[in-house]
Amino acid sequence: EVQLVQSGAEMKKPGESLKISCQGSGYIFTSYWIGWVRQMPEKGLEWMGVIYPGDSDTRYSPSFQGQVTISADKSISTAYLQWSSLKASDTAMYYCARRVYDSSAYFLDYWGQGTLVTVSS
Amino acid sequence: EIVLTQSPGTLSLSPGERATLACRASQSVSSSYLAWYQHKPGQAPRLLIYGASSRATGIPDRFSGSGSGTDFTLTISRLEPEDFAVYYCQHYGGSQTFGGGTKVETK
Repeated sequence: EVQLVQSGAEMKKPGESLKISCQGSGYIFTSYWIGWVRQMPEKGLEWMGVIYPGDSDTRYSPSFQGQVTISADKSISTAYLQWSSLKASDTAMYYCARRVYDSSAYFLDYWGQGTLVTVSS
Repeated sequence: EIVLTQSPGTLSLSPGERATLACRASQSVSSSYLAWYQHKPGQAPRLLIYGASSRATGIPDRFSGSGSGTDFTLTISRLEPEDFAVYYCQHYGGSQTFGGGTKVETK
């Protein structure tokens, strides 16, 4: 069974750093891209970026380039999303999802349960 | 960058009614790269439709997708109580944009 399990909720202060994780199981982790999606309070879904754990090829949405870092450790089937200096506006739910290419289509077929990040002084 | 605009923002319907949700792209996109997701509070989003019209595994046949070019539609033929949620379209492209979402609420 394919699963993406994310790390637990975080409460941080502005200026602090943070790294959240997404561990995949039940499939060949290095063969599928993993994407990150943000949902700010009462807002819609926003695409942040994606990584291919096989070779760590990473693509960022222009809105998030330079704001976050996406990485992966294929030895433990885990993708990461990290911030070097959090802002209050980073308060959101963050989801990871597996991106699939099948039948000439791209889509996100499995999602993590989400990690709530709260940034407040 | 392609922008996806969903309408209406909110759809107020009763169980058993038909729901028609629209997703318009700012420029023509490949149908292969258009997907729909359902999102309920406290849950992860769920893939419903990929390639504009293919149902994902386990998705009931009351859900259907159609469209091409710039205009795409998600139809729920008869709303069940569990279908009240927010629905997003997404395009795989440079930015893999999501639409703003349509909330289907109980009338």
